[in-house]
Amino acid sequence: QSVLIQPPSASGTPGQRVTISCSGSSSNIGGFSVNWYQQLPGSAPKLLIYNNNERPSGVPDRFSGSKSGSSASLAFSGLQSEDEADYYCAAWDDSLNGVIFGGGTKLIVL
Amino acid sequence: QVRLLQSGAEVRKPGASVKVSCKASGYPFPNYILTWVRQAPGQGLEWMGWISVYNGNTNYEQNFRGRVTMTTDTFTTTAYLELRSLRSDDTAVYYCARSPYCSGASCGFDYWGQGTLVTVSS
Repeated sequence: QSVLIQPPSASGTPGQRVTISCSGSSSNIGGFSVNWYQQLPGSAPKLLIYNNNERPSGVPDRFSGSKSGSSASLAFSGLQSEDEADYYCAAWDDSLNGVIFGGGTKLIVL
Repeated sequence: QVRLLQSGAEVRKPGASVKVSCKASGYPFPNYILTWVRQAPGQGLEWMGWISVYNGNTNYEQNFRGRVTMTTDTFTTTAYLELRSLRSDDTAVYYCARSPYCSGASCGFDYWGQGTLVTVSS
């Protein structure tokens, strides 16, 4: 079981607002930044959000990240069919002295 | 443009070793960290460790210490991952990824290789 806990799946209809949660502890999310990755089927992961809420160049502003305490969230402001993918949160963990990933959330666009 | 081009698929028997390469181009190689992440079939992402290209310092995930070696060659701008004493549960796609030097990994892994499938089977 991953140290960062994500729901195994989430779903929504096109245009809907959807959020994915990532729950950790004081040794990881509580003290360090959270990054989010999108993995389309058959592809390598892609950095979607870094430093809790920053978007790399080219990532649409309908993706947003937030953090509060030892939890973080990834939000989709207007879901699109091409958003169907697996999403992973990640953070540094001071106890493990390494990067940890959440177990991943499969987003289904209905 | 930034590219990380990995070597092709490998098949090994249990107990053997494998060395995966990751050729970087399109950016100043020493200015970034190279990290390795693996993904077993149908499973999530697992961080294996990283290497500072600038000074060769490494940080390996504790479960891999003693079995893994990460190196870089600044002349060929290539990073290498060697994994020894392979087991069947090492069967996975292995990715290299680039990261700026940031506190607490806050910058994330911004470019990824295409992945290398390593199959461990007798």
